[in-house]
Amino acid sequence: QVQLVESGGGVVQPGTSLRLSCAASGFTFTSFSMHWVRQAPGKGLEWVAVVSDGVTSKYYTDSVKGRFTISRDDSKNTVYLQMSSLTPEDTAVYFCATGGLYHYDYWGQGTLVTVSS
Amino acid sequence: QSALTQPRSVSGSPGQSVTISCTGTSSDVGGYNYVSWYQQHPGRAPKVMIYDVSKRPSGVPGRFSGSKSGNTASLTISGLQAEDEADYYCCSYVGSYIFVFGTGTKVTVL
Repeated sequence: QVQLVESGGGVVQPGTSLRLSCAASGFTFTSFSMHWVRQAPGKGLEWVAVVSDGVTSKYYTDSVKGRFTISRDDSKNTVYLQMSSLTPEDTAVYFCATGGLYHYDYWGQGTLVTVSS
Repeated sequence: QSALTQPRSVSGSPGQSVTISCTGTSSDVGGYNYVSWYQQHPGRAPKVMIYDVSKRPSGVPGRFSGSKSGNTASLTISGLQAEDEADYYCCSYVGSYIFVFGTGTKVTVL
């Protein structure tokens, strides 16, 4: 069955960097765009970034442009989110998601990133 | 992209129907027939309940239905059940692989 497993979260200080990973299995990874969606504590879902299948396109929400970089390694069925210049506003559970052409059939369990001094 | 607007909360008794609205603009909800709805229980990942405005994935109960008129989409839960108590989020495709979510609605079963 389809599995998305995020890792790499933790507690970091403001201004530092962190790399999240999402390992995928159970589907043809190369055929799907991969997304990151985050949820701050007690808040709603926020779309963060996407890397298209074939890595032809990458897009980001405005608040992370220039600080976050999404990438994928199709040989490892893994998508990454490199986060830099982190601020307390980046504190959230980060989910990777994929599946439908215009919706998300599959979600990971999420990984918590806490930015605090 | 600004978040789509949803009511903060709705409630109903078991067996009743509740409807959640999701208001956007002609650049998101009104511009695409690609609105999806997600159910999220505390501490869990979201689960798709409706996609492409009104399509229901296999395994989702028939009491969940979706519709759209202009810039506003709606999710209706008919015959509310205790297990439907959760947060619900709408989501619209806005082009170029990008999505925008709604502000979220807490559904309470009285």
